[in-house]
Amino acid sequence: GDSVTQMEGPVTLSEEAFLTINCTYTATGYPSLFWYVQYPGEGLQLLLKATKADDKGSNKGFEATYRKETTSFHLEKGSVQVSDSAVYFCALTRTSYDKVIFGPGTSLSVIP
Amino acid sequence: KAGVTQTPRYLIKTRGQQVTLSCSPISGHRSVSWYQQTPGQGLQFLFEYFSETQRNKGNFPGRFSGRQFSNSRSEMNVSTLELGDSALYLCASSLGDRGLEQYFGPGTRLTVT
Repeated sequence: GDSVTQMEGPVTLSEEAFLTINCTYTATGYPSLFWYVQYPGEGLQLLLKATKADDKGSNKGFEATYRKETTSFHLEKGSVQVSDSAVYFCALTRTSYDKVIFGPGTSLSVIP
Repeated sequence: KAGVTQTPRYLIKTRGQQVTLSCSPISGHRSVSWYQQTPGQGLQFLFEYFSETQRNKGNFPGRFSGRQFSNSRSEMNVSTLELGDSALYLCASSLGDRGLEQYFGPGTRLTVT
């Protein structure tokens, strides 16, 4: 069945460091891919998405590119801030009729 | 536009009791999904309702059930509570047939003692 794998955390970075959170997936066809973020004490919110191969999703300085050949959707940010401390979830779905498959989440802590 | 609301936000129940959680989706959204989030198991899918019908279901025992009303509001019920049911229960809504993104509520924190 479909699945999403993320790098294990927690990840701790200093402010202004470069961030990469790896995400790979297993799915038939061409799923849509998402990154969601969960700040402490809150629900998840959509960070960015990509719906076809080679698409790049971007938002708030975060970027991820849909790589069909490597079945990956790695999240990157050039310079993290303390306010980026949160849990990041990679997710996929094939159609609006299918359930969304979430990865286990990666906790990020950014220290001043 | 108002976001997804969940009530109550916090709940404490005793083992063996039952509980009902409520979710009001974003106006116009017809799909509501429920998730259980725990530190050990992460985010686990419970079920999804679309136009009052259960469309997808996760691997949870029959003690977990849900329903959706004609106004798209949804409830989930857990009967015969166990200590392991303590978790954050998240509800998410989406357009269902015209949108893939999910919009999450803040969750209901259930503690079973």
